[in-house]
Amino acid sequence: DPKIIQKPKYLVAVTGSEKILICEQYLGHNAMYWYRQSAKKPLEFMFSYSYQKLMDNQTASSRFQPQSSKKNHLDLQITALKPDDSATYFCASSQDPGGTEVFFGKGTRLTVV
Amino acid sequence: TQTVSQSDAHVTVFEGDSVELRCNYSYGGSIYLSWYIQHHGRGLQFLLKYYSGNPVVQGVNGFKAEFSKSDSSFHLRKASVHWSDSAVYFCAVSAWDSNYQLIWGSGTKLIIKP
Repeated sequence: DPKIIQKPKYLVAVTGSEKILICEQYLGHNAMYWYRQSAKKPLEFMFSYSYQKLMDNQTASSRFQPQSSKKNHLDLQITALKPDDSATYFCASSQDPGGTEVFFGKGTRLTVV
Repeated sequence: TQTVSQSDAHVTVFEGDSVELRCNYSYGGSIYLSWYIQHHGRGLQFLLKYYSGNPVVQGVNGFKAEFSKSDSSFHLRKASVHWSDSAVYFCAVSAWDSNYQLIWGSGTKLIIKP
């Protein structure tokens, strides 16, 4: 019974288009994160949110925008998609900000063609 | 600034063998050290962590890790591996001066031969 739900599991997008990756966590956690994993970079931290506020942004491009409509939601909007954006995007959460035990979703595998 | 190094991209052992996955870090202050496992096509799962106290930390499924301040290491070990242990293992470090953001190693793929 997954406690962090990511949708969709697989996503194919056309270069230049816009997509939203969905993440919901049912662990009652206060902090949520987005990570990216590709062949080029094994695991890359993108964003952290705490109580629906942006805490840290390590993504250089403004094409990536997290959106938190509820405490347990943290979606990721990606605009003007490029083939280099192809990766698996993981949503994660921890009880509190800076929590050292982080729980991960199963990921959304994005392919940009 | 903390860094984490996992020197072995791949480790191959036979089922039933013992294994050690190496993790070295650089940081001068107090840190949390942790290990995560990622099975193929899945998200990462927490294995164990260390902050203080007994330098040997027991995790799930027979895994344990030993902290060594003198060697700046936090190696993961298992006495007898099972085929289901085949996965990628990530070491991570976090510290107060980076808001405890996890800094990740590059991962070690553990391959278990039958």
